[in-house]
Amino acid sequence: DGGITQSPKYLFRKEGQNVTLSCEQNLNHDAMYWYRQDPGQGLRLIYYSQIVNDFQKGDIAEGYSVSREKKESFPLTVTSAQKNPTAFYLCASGTGQTYEQYFGPGTRLTVT
Amino acid sequence: AQSVTQLGSHVSVSEGALVLLRCNYSSSVPPYLFWYVQYPNQGLQLLLKYTTGATLVKGINGFEAEFKKSETSFHLTKPSAHMSDAAEYFCAVSRFGGGADGLTFGKGTHLIIQP
Repeated sequence: DGGITQSPKYLFRKEGQNVTLSCEQNLNHDAMYWYRQDPGQGLRLIYYSQIVNDFQKGDIAEGYSVSREKKESFPLTVTSAQKNPTAFYLCASGTGQTYEQYFGPGTRLTVT
Repeated sequence: AQSVTQLGSHVSVSEGALVLLRCNYSSSVPPYLFWYVQYPNQGLQLLLKYTTGATLVKGINGFEAEFKKSETSFHLTKPSAHMSDAAEYFCAVSRFGGGADGLTFGKGTHLIIQP
């Protein structure tokens, strides 16, 4: 089945540690995205990539980093510089031509 | 910059009644507009989209939305609510008018269906 997988579903870390969230897609989409969701805040764009080996900052990139070495994969690292890392993180992919984005099931990160 | 305002963080309707979720946008370029639905602790599912052409767009599960440029609105409707429609709904606009630059989302509307 084609789709987007995110792992793990729940992630717990201690403050001061970096953590990497996985996102894989087998939809053959060129573009991939990371969003952060907080209660009552909707989704906010962290980073996006339109092509392999290239990515752009979204609206809230501070404290995050990404890489895009393969078309299928777009991992997100939440660094210790992110002041409020506890959130629900959603990965998405899209073709650009159809404009819509397809979302993964999300990873809920809790930092204490 | 593009922005989206969803009026009403919670909307409650009776089963069988009309569903109306409001969305207004601000965009400096012709907008591409979307409605997504989210069930608890899950990702988002696309309900419908407007890019160009017909301003009344139909989506999945009986939902539809009308793009009104003069009112900068893209309200979501469904003639008859079903219990399974209870979820969080998000309106979104393309960030820069292009297809691949990501979306700007509203804060969401929680739809409650009363039996």
